[in-house]
Amino acid sequence: AAGVIQSPRHLIKEKRETATLKCYPIPRHDTVYWYQQGPGQDPQFLISFYEKMQSDKGSIPDRFSAQQFSDYHSELNMSSLELGDSALYFCASSAYTYEQYFGPGTRLTVT
Amino acid sequence: QQQVKQSPQSLIVQKGGISIINCAYENTAFDYFPWYQQFPGKGPALLIAIRPDVSEKKEGRFTISFNKSAKQFSLHIMDSQPGDSATYFCAASDQHFTGNQFYFGTGTSLTVIP
Repeated sequence: AAGVIQSPRHLIKEKRETATLKCYPIPRHDTVYWYQQGPGQDPQFLISFYEKMQSDKGSIPDRFSAQQFSDYHSELNMSSLELGDSALYFCASSAYTYEQYFGPGTRLTVT
Repeated sequence: QQQVKQSPQSLIVQKGGISIINCAYENTAFDYFPWYQQFPGKGPALLIAIRPDVSEKKEGRFTISFNKSAKQFSLHIMDSQPGDSATYFCAASDQHFTGNQFYFGTGTSLTVIP
């Protein structure tokens, strides 16, 4: 079965640089969620989109922005990167059920 | 503020034993309670989930018990196997609106000893 696709899988950036993470949801899923997970921590919700509109917003820094496109893929744009932004970033998608299916994640390292 | 409290933080179980992980919540608007399994460097994988209109749900070796009045729910892994060694997260969500976030517990690191 098709799963959530995230790219890139690994990303190394320097402080103050910009990064863009991409998420391709499971086919026919219309809702996308972004989570940040630090080492040994639980996933922290950043933001979600339903039918290309922002649905819920969590602890997403003002330096980050995201959107969902007409093909339902989503991009998380991160600017002025800080060392503390180093983490695993997960995208999840859902359809008409409550179930969220997570992607493999993007490991972002800020040096 | 942690919306979902999870315990224990770590758990060591012998092969064939029962692993039990507990979670508690306060927000009575929560109406969907999933459990996720996560291996190092991988995304969380949905294991099993329950709605508050039932008190128990079983899928294979995994069972969720739900106590609505106590606002607690737990995951039982029967006949635990070394391959079950992973981090388990409970979560809760208010699904009255599409796209509402999941609130995760802090995770339980399970080790099953052969």
